[in-house]
Amino acid sequence: GAGVSQSPRYKVAKRGQDVALRCDPISGHVSLFWYQQALGQGPEFLTYFQNEAQLDKSGLPSDRFFAERPEGSVSTLKIQRTQQEDSAVYLCASSLWGVSGANVLTFGAGSRLTVL
Amino acid sequence: DQQVKQNSPSLSVQEGRISILNCDYTNSMFDYFLWYKKYPAEGPTFLISISSIKDKNEDGRFTVFLNKSAKHLSLHIVPSQPGDSAVYFCAAGGPNAGNMLTFGGGTRLMVKP
Repeated sequence: GAGVSQSPRYKVAKRGQDVALRCDPISGHVSLFWYQQALGQGPEFLTYFQNEAQLDKSGLPSDRFFAERPEGSVSTLKIQRTQQEDSAVYLCASSLWGVSGANVLTFGAGSRLTVL
Repeated sequence: DQQVKQNSPSLSVQEGRISILNCDYTNSMFDYFLWYKKYPAEGPTFLISISSIKDKNEDGRFTVFLNKSAKHLSLHIVPSQPGDSAVYFCAAGGPNAGNMLTFGGGTRLMVKP
């Protein structure tokens, strides 16, 4: 596709449920990032993939958060046993190659998660 | 520890006037800086960037200024248009700064007709 596609756009989960958020990056983009954006704040880094390798997961807030990109294209962010503080917009972004130079990330529209 | 800060949560300007959005950073390892614009229910879209070896970059109505000694950058929009009304995020990154972009909290710009 022409842009980064994320699904679902909206997800309501009961506390304790598991959720999975999908990201389809721009075709051919090597790097893929997940960010979390709480209401009224800027995006905060969660994790970064280069192809299928997860090179940085330092931003994942707890071991309930897990991300994968098994074939180096589509990525899934999984949140186990959701808590109310997980409510946020989860943004996926991709870039052509690596992080050197002016790394222009192209973002998807995000998946808004609400945990009741 | 916020490495990128946008101290003004909102800014209101009249159509045709200049909008100036400010951003401060603390990490001296950042070597490039970007501005993103975000409309409601959409993802952030890239607007303009600047490398740390420059102090100014211009693209049409948008100019970004970088003051490395003050660890400060600003985005100037002139003339401002109602369609510029959005949330603007400053972001910074570099291969020696964790290999990701670090974002500020955003400034909501409202351009009044």
